[in-house]
Amino acid sequence: DAGITQSPRYKITETGRQVTLMCHQTWSHSYMFWYRQDLGHGLRLIYYSAAADITDKGEVPDGYVVSRSKTENFPLTLESATRSQTSVYFCASSVGVNSPLHFGNGTRLTVT
Amino acid sequence: QQPVQSPQAVILREGEDAVINCSSSKALYSVHWYRQKHGEAPVFLMILLKGGEQKGHDKISASFNEKKQQSSLYLTASQLSYSGTYFCGTEMGTGGFKTIFGAGTRLFVKA
Repeated sequence: DAGITQSPRYKITETGRQVTLMCHQTWSHSYMFWYRQDLGHGLRLIYYSAAADITDKGEVPDGYVVSRSKTENFPLTLESATRSQTSVYFCASSVGVNSPLHFGNGTRLTVT
Repeated sequence: QQPVQSPQAVILREGEDAVINCSSSKALYSVHWYRQKHGEAPVFLMILLKGGEQKGHDKISASFNEKKQQSSLYLTASQLSYSGTYFCGTEMGTGGFKTIFGAGTRLFVKA
């Protein structure tokens, strides 16, 4: 099916473990984004990418790593998970500048 | 910096109107508006690309005052389906493609 999908939907992990959240889109959108959503903070940008092999930091990049070897995939890795990274993570894509963002359904991550 | 939204929350009765404001300390080049229902992903409402622009979608409209670096979302004759959290997003920098969102405004419409 066309669209943007995130996996897993729910994840529980322990402090210190590495975890990767997946994001896949079928529209061939150039731009992709990772946001985290916490109560009181809204949506905060973690990393974004303008094209394959081009990524840049957002507002809250510390503790996260991204890669984009293919246009359709934009995985987000927490190298050593901390409790403060417990959040809902949304991936989004966009065709270009000044264009709507299309969001995935989110991944709810709990770090114990 | 995140744009600032006000109010943080609003409760309406069906049929009432509401205004949600979004302001930034930095120059705004475009403003996005999204609505998110509980447990779901944010959904795009509209983008305003230039100062003075106004747009409408059903009974939801928005304006963009570039000089004042602010945008407002107007919900007219609210319906139960309007309940949710509304986010404004601003694109940072000249031709920038990263959208930074405000903290959101929680809107609850009751019968």
